[in-house]
Amino acid sequence: GAGVSQSPRYKVAKRGQDVALRCDPISGHVSLFWYQQALGQGPEFLTYFQNEAQLDKSGLPSDRFFAERPEGSVSTLKIQRTQQEDSAVYLCASSFMSGAGYTFGSGTRLTVV
Amino acid sequence: AQSVTQLDSQVPVFEEAPVELRCNYSSSVSVYLFWYVQYPNQGLQLLLKYLSGSTLVESINGFEAEFNKSQTSFHLRKPSVHISDTAEYFCAVNRNTGTASKLTFGTGTRLQVTL
Repeated sequence: GAGVSQSPRYKVAKRGQDVALRCDPISGHVSLFWYQQALGQGPEFLTYFQNEAQLDKSGLPSDRFFAERPEGSVSTLKIQRTQQEDSAVYLCASSFMSGAGYTFGSGTRLTVV
Repeated sequence: AQSVTQLDSQVPVFEEAPVELRCNYSSSVSVYLFWYVQYPNQGLQLLLKYLSGSTLVESINGFEAEFNKSQTSFHLRKPSVHISDTAEYFCAVNRNTGTASKLTFGTGTRLQVTL
């Protein structure tokens, strides 16, 4: 498609459950970012890929969070043993090359109950 | 490191009135500046951006923002708002390096337009 696609759109997880969130970036986009947006807040950086290389994961809040992009296109953000504080919208963004603007997906709203 | 401050969490305004959403940033390096808009239950959409050149940038739907380096500001303005402009607006910056770098966002300003 023409945009960044994220799935699922909504996810409800029981506390302690593992979840996997998918991001399908725009074809040919080298850079891919994950952000976490808590309710009423601005997005916060989680991690960044350039092709398949994860160049920055400084924003991942704990070792329960793991992201991968094995073939340099689709990326998966995995959260293990989910906690209530993980409830947020997870946004994916991609960019062709430079830092001058990114295209965001519609996000995955994760609710941990 | 960069930081972004959006001074107003909510801005109520009547339709057809002018509006200004304030954004100030802090950075030790040169930056690119962005405004994104987020409609309910949707992702972020790029509204406009400043990369270089003219300090006044415009969007296709009547918004404009002016980069003021001395005041480290990038305020968003529209001379006459419409009901459909009701949304959350986020100011963001990233390092001006020519390569991809993470965006740092402000906490957002909720623009509420009423009749």
